[in-house]
Amino acid sequence: ILNVEQSPQSLHVQEGDSTNFTCSFPSSNFYALHWYRWETAKSPEALFVMTLNGDEKKKGRISATLNTKEGYSYLYIKGSQPEDSATYLCASYFGNEKLTFGTGTRLTIIP
Amino acid sequence: ETGVTQSPTHLIKTRGQQVTLRCSSQSGHNTVSWYQQALGQGPQFIFQYYREEENGRGNFPPRFSGLQFPNYSSELNVNALELDDSALYLCASSFDPGEAYEQYFGPGTRLTVT
Repeated sequence: ILNVEQSPQSLHVQEGDSTNFTCSFPSSNFYALHWYRWETAKSPEALFVMTLNGDEKKKGRISATLNTKEGYSYLYIKGSQPEDSATYLCASYFGNEKLTFGTGTRLTIIP
Repeated sequence: ETGVTQSPTHLIKTRGQQVTLRCSSQSGHNTVSWYQQALGQGPQFIFQYYREEENGRGNFPPRFSGLQFPNYSSELNVNALELDDSALYLCASSFDPGEAYEQYFGPGTRLTVT
């Protein structure tokens, strides 16, 4: 069984502060790492797809890094805003397996 | 560009019954994946369809079956429903089945089995 772990499980951050959370995955047979943002009552929305060790992606105030050798990815949010409140899911492809998801980090921004 | 839609939104069934969930892909996408999200867990991969053929299956019993139609919309069928099948069922379409293609999710169908 291939496990994707996310930490922390939940997080409360003051508006304006920056934050980051972690996705860990087995480094063997790695193909790709996906990040999704899932707001309550909406559909999960793709943020990033990363495939290469050392990849860094950015979308506005959100960025992500990837280390495939040690099996982790970080998601960073700079200057958190209330609209950033959501569950952030990471998922990895291993070999011929399809996307394996973590359980998510639930982020709440406190105004 | 039309997004991914799913129907119905909510559904209540009795143990032993059968259910069909539907998903319309985003325009231009030929791949549909289905996921089950039980309470407190991440989405679990059920199966994927690519150009009307099954293209990978997760650890789900055969009573979970699917179809993809020529317009790339898809169905998930579950026979002999069990209480543990109560979950949110998500479908996601993508431009291609490869790992580098982001998936576009629908809002999900909440299934309750009593």
